[in-house]
Amino acid sequence: QVQLVQSGAEVKKPGASVKVSCKASGYTFTSYDINWVRQATGQGLEWMGWMNPNSGNTGYAQKFQGRVTMTRNTSISTAYMELSSLRSEDTAVYYCARFDYWGQGTLVTVSS
Amino acid sequence: SYELTQPPSVSVSPGQTARITCSGDALPKQYAYWYQQKPGQAPVLVIYKDSERPSGIPERFSGSSSGTTVTLTISGVQAEDEADYYCQSADSSGTSWVFGGGTKLTVL
Repeated sequence: QVQLVQSGAEVKKPGASVKVSCKASGYTFTSYDINWVRQATGQGLEWMGWMNPNSGNTGYAQKFQGRVTMTRNTSISTAYMELSSLRSEDTAVYYCARFDYWGQGTLVTVSS
Repeated sequence: SYELTQPPSVSVSPGQTARITCSGDALPKQYAYWYQQKPGQAPVLVIYKDSERPSGIPERFSGSSSGTTVTLTISGVQAEDEADYYCQSADSSGTSWVFGGGTKLTVL
């Protein structure tokens, strides 16, 4: 069965970076784009960007351009999302998703 | 930037029909997708490409499209359908995904 398993919760200080991983199983990793979506507590879903695991091509939402980097390691079927220059407003649950399948979410807390 | 507009809340009694709308200028050109999200859980895809239902999703969930508005219809609403529902689509260029603000469905 298709599974996307994300890394654990993170606590970061303002100005730092965070890197979240998403390990895929149950399907051919390079056949489906991986998207990253975040959700602040009590708020809606916010799309951050996509990555094609086969080519490594990416597309980022304008809001995150310059601060987000999406990469992958095809040998271990894992996608990564790194967000830099963190601020308190980045506190949220971050999801990786094929859209038909979603990871369990990773809580990133930004606090001094 | 492109926006999709949903009503913040919809309330229905069990067994009735719930309709949740989503409006956006690019919807005549771009497919819409619908997700159900329960507290503390990841979203679940319930409708894709305007009106297709993934396997495992009950038949009471259906989707339709008319012009700049798409609609998620839940027929014979059950208590377990109480959740937040989000529409999703692409902008007119097809390069960015956008989510609606979400609709909280309350089953009275």
